[in-house]
Amino acid sequence: QSALTQPASVSGSPGQSITISCTGTSSDVGLYNYVSWYQQYPGKAPKLIIYEVSNRPSGVSNRFSGSKSGNTASLTISGLQAEDEGDYYCSSYTTTNTLSVFGTGTKVTVL
Amino acid sequence: EVQLVESGGDLVKPGGSLRLSCSASGFTFSNAWLTWVRQAPGKGLEWVGRIKSKTSNEATDYAAPVKGRFTISRDDSKDTVYLQMSSLKAEDTAVYYCAAGLCVGADCHWDDAFETWGQGTMVTVSS
Repeated sequence: QSALTQPASVSGSPGQSITISCTGTSSDVGLYNYVSWYQQYPGKAPKLIIYEVSNRPSGVSNRFSGSKSGNTASLTISGLQAEDEGDYYCSSYTTTNTLSVFGTGTKVTVL
Repeated sequence: EVQLVESGGDLVKPGGSLRLSCSASGFTFSNAWLTWVRQAPGKGLEWVGRIKSKTSNEATDYAAPVKGRFTISRDDSKDTVYLQMSSLKAEDTAVYYCAAGLCVGADCHWDDAFETWGQGTMVTVSS
C-alpha cells in the first residue's frame, strides 16, 4: 500500500489561504469518505483536525476545512496564522489489509 | 482527561525483540479499538496495526512490513495495549505512537480518525 501523495511544502503569508492536496486511488480516497487530516508540530504527536473529509472535531478552528473530488482530497487553511506552521498529513481508510494509509506529509511555512 | 501513555522504547540490536506498552485512562478502554502508528526519524506517519475490542474477538490487522513479526495484544484489566516486536530491523527504527479513534456519540471512527494519541516512545534498532 503506497502512501497518499501530498506536496512536500506549501507556504503563505499571514491572513492568506492555502490548500494542501492529497492524492490517492480508487481503493482509498476515491472509494471512501473517510479522509482525515492531522497537524503535527516537531517532536509532538499528531492532532486530528478534519475527519470524514470535511468534519472538524470539537475545538478545532473553523479556519480549517476539507473537501474531496474523485481520488484527491484537500485541506484549506484560511486566515493563515503563525501557529499554523507545522506538518500536515492526510489519511484515508483503504480496502487493503493496511486499513489506514497516510499521506507523505506537507510542511506548511508561514512567511 | 482522555490519555494514552506509551512506554518500553529502547535501543535494540537487529534481530532482537521488544515489547511496547500503551496505558489508557479517561475512557472506557474495553470498548476501544487501539491502533499503533510509527514515524521514522524525519519521515511521515505509517500505520502499523490495530486491535479490536473483546466483543469483536480482539481481531488484529497489520501492515505488510510488520506482519508476521509484530503482535498486538491487550489486557482490559490493566487498560493497556501492547505491541510485541520481534526480528527487528533497522527500518523499524521510529517513534511508536498508540492512538484511539474519535467517537461522536455512539459513532466511533476506530479505523479512520485518530483523535487521541500518546506522546510516543522511541525504538532504535542498531548494532
